[in-house]
Amino acid sequence: EIVLTQSPGTLSLSPGERATLSCRASQSVSSSYLAWYQQKPGQAPRLLIYGASSRATGIPDRFSGSGSGTDFTLTISRLEPEDFAVYYCQQYGSSPNTFGPGTKVDIK
Amino acid sequence: QVQLVQSGAEVKKPGSSVKVSCKASGGTFSSYTISWVRQAPGQGLEWMGRIIPILGIANYAQKFQGRVTITADKSTSTAYMELSSLRSEDTAVYYCAREYGPHWQQPDWYFDLWGRGTLVTVSS
Repeated sequence: EIVLTQSPGTLSLSPGERATLSCRASQSVSSSYLAWYQQKPGQAPRLLIYGASSRATGIPDRFSGSGSGTDFTLTISRLEPEDFAVYYCQQYGSSPNTFGPGTKVDIK
Repeated sequence: QVQLVQSGAEVKKPGSSVKVSCKASGGTFSSYTISWVRQAPGQGLEWMGRIIPILGIANYAQKFQGRVTITADKSTSTAYMELSSLRSEDTAVYYCAREYGPHWQQPDWYFDLWGRGTLVTVSS
């Protein structure tokens, strides 16, 4: 199965700053079938990005995804207070689908 | 608008089983696939398996094979996940989630709709 590694483990930033989160796969992800989710404490994950770069319905345009092959990036252009959360990547191009361990974005 | 409504928290003894439900409220499962994903305390997300309700076909992550059974009742648009031989390491929040696309197009999809989760605590 494809193993996803996310870095950094924790990202400490201030509101208004830019966040860059990395997701690396152990093998190439077919057709860029890579999704990103946001999870806040006590809540279910929320889909942000699918197909590596397509924003899900209702997701603000400060969230963007990029990458292909084995290297993917989630960028939050200017952090809003509600963006401090844990972010997970998931690959669904190869069975079984797998998740990365997450990156926590916290307030500096 | 469809929501996935899960059953309430459970406390179970080691060695017992738990069955968690997930009902599509405000709609039906239609042709969607429903997966189960769990999250141990302070940990990441782990896919357990899925069911294609219109076909009644389930498949499971290798880790849970033999210990998990996922079923669905089309008439009530409810999916179930039963986990047996519970141990303390099974303490987690169990989520049901809808896979976005049709199973005949590709076996795995991203999850566009999630239930709120069901906490299962395994403790003697």
